[in-house]
Amino acid sequence: DQQVKQNSPSLSVQEGRISILNCDYTNSMFDYFLWYKKYPAEGPTFLISISSIKDKNEDGRFTVFLNKSAKHLSLHIVPSQPGDSAVYFCAARAPGTYKYIFGTGTRLKVLA
Amino acid sequence: KAGVTQTPRYLIKTRGQQVTLSCSPISGHRSVSWYQQTPGQGLQFLFEYFSETQRNKGNFPGRFSGRQFSNSRSEMNVSTLELGDSALYLCASSSTSPETQYFGPGTRLLVL
Repeated sequence: DQQVKQNSPSLSVQEGRISILNCDYTNSMFDYFLWYKKYPAEGPTFLISISSIKDKNEDGRFTVFLNKSAKHLSLHIVPSQPGDSAVYFCAARAPGTYKYIFGTGTRLKVLA
Repeated sequence: KAGVTQTPRYLIKTRGQQVTLSCSPISGHRSVSWYQQTPGQGLQFLFEYFSETQRNKGNFPGRFSGRQFSNSRSEMNVSTLELGDSALYLCASSSTSPETQYFGPGTRLLVL
């Protein structure tokens, strides 16, 4: 049972345009959400996070939006750059634990 | 500050053997989590240790075990290896704040 889903395995975007990566979850009790970026042969790198008490968090070119009623979060990258090409994972934390549940990832390709 | 290190980086074993993977967290970090990454499955949570105690456990069989030492270094052991255990094994460390985990580069295990 996949509690965190990234339904788009891949996404291609032109350089300078917006990239929108989506993530859906099933457990309304998740209290913290994170996005990671992963390059080949490297471990995931933390990008941005959001608490369940907020609906938006911004850090430079990266913004995460949380829609609790829809159990949906999205990561916006503006403007997209070729160096952003990587696999992006969303993750959710089960409340009261240190257990993170990850989605299966979306491969983003930013075309120059 | 040095990042999370994992050894070995690559490993080839045969079915039925056992394997031990090692993870050294970032200095000062007391929490270490282990994940298995396979194609199409994303990152699957194995377990998390804090101060030498397992605090959280994922849904893996008992062949997967771990431990943490007093210096926060952690080891993961897989006994009676199966072909399906071939994967990238990632460890992540975090400080007292669990919101951000820092990942190591992973150990790629191939079971023949």
